[in-house]
Amino acid sequence: AQKVTQAQTEISVVEKEDVTLDCVYETRDTTYYLFWYKQPPSGELVFLIRRNSFDEQNEISGRYSWNFQKSTSSFNFTITASQVVDSAVYFCALSGDAVSGGYQKVTFGTGTKLQVIP
Amino acid sequence: DVKVTQSSRYLVKRTGEKVFLECVQDMDHENMFWYRQDPGLGLRLIYFSYDVKMKEKGDIPEGYSVSREKKERFSLILESASTNQTSMYLCASLPLRDRVGEQYFGPGTRLTVT
Repeated sequence: AQKVTQAQTEISVVEKEDVTLDCVYETRDTTYYLFWYKQPPSGELVFLIRRNSFDEQNEISGRYSWNFQKSTSSFNFTITASQVVDSAVYFCALSGDAVSGGYQKVTFGTGTKLQVIP
Repeated sequence: DVKVTQSSRYLVKRTGEKVFLECVQDMDHENMFWYRQDPGLGLRLIYFSYDVKMKEKGDIPEGYSVSREKKERFSLILESASTNQTSMYLCASLPLRDRVGEQYFGPGTRLTVT
């Protein structure tokens, strides 16, 4: 069975601080995908990033960066110089691969609520 | 622009009522999903559909059924609503395998059962 753990329920930071959201996963699949989604106060989840299990390169997109470490089964998300608009609930998620047919069943973590205080 | 719409943002129903939640996507996606979101539990998959008239149970299908008569529309049905079905319901769609996991979500329906 797949499992995603986001141990941080809520985090508050002051604007311009860096913040890291933790994600730890469990799976028996050798091929899998990891994701981060953002849910702003409006409610609609927005896809941020996808990573497959064979690609451990870290990724940076503007103020966002992701650190994938297979050895520790972690896929952490860092926001640099946080802004008020980053306030949202962030979900880490995991799915199987397309070949095995497990790609549709995405397991979500419980989410981390980030509040950025001006 | 990609769009998933849900019939209502807020809904209040009485215990025992039959409830229909509608979801429509305009992206010609094969897969559609219904999740419920509860505090401390994240998103849990109720049902998904990978083609017209095809469906599969998710992790928490009890008390729910679904219908997909057309590719763009996926309905969630609560046959006899109960108070423990008070929740936020999220619909999502996903294209065929080339975009693994990149689901597109609707704005959600907050259902209250009294």
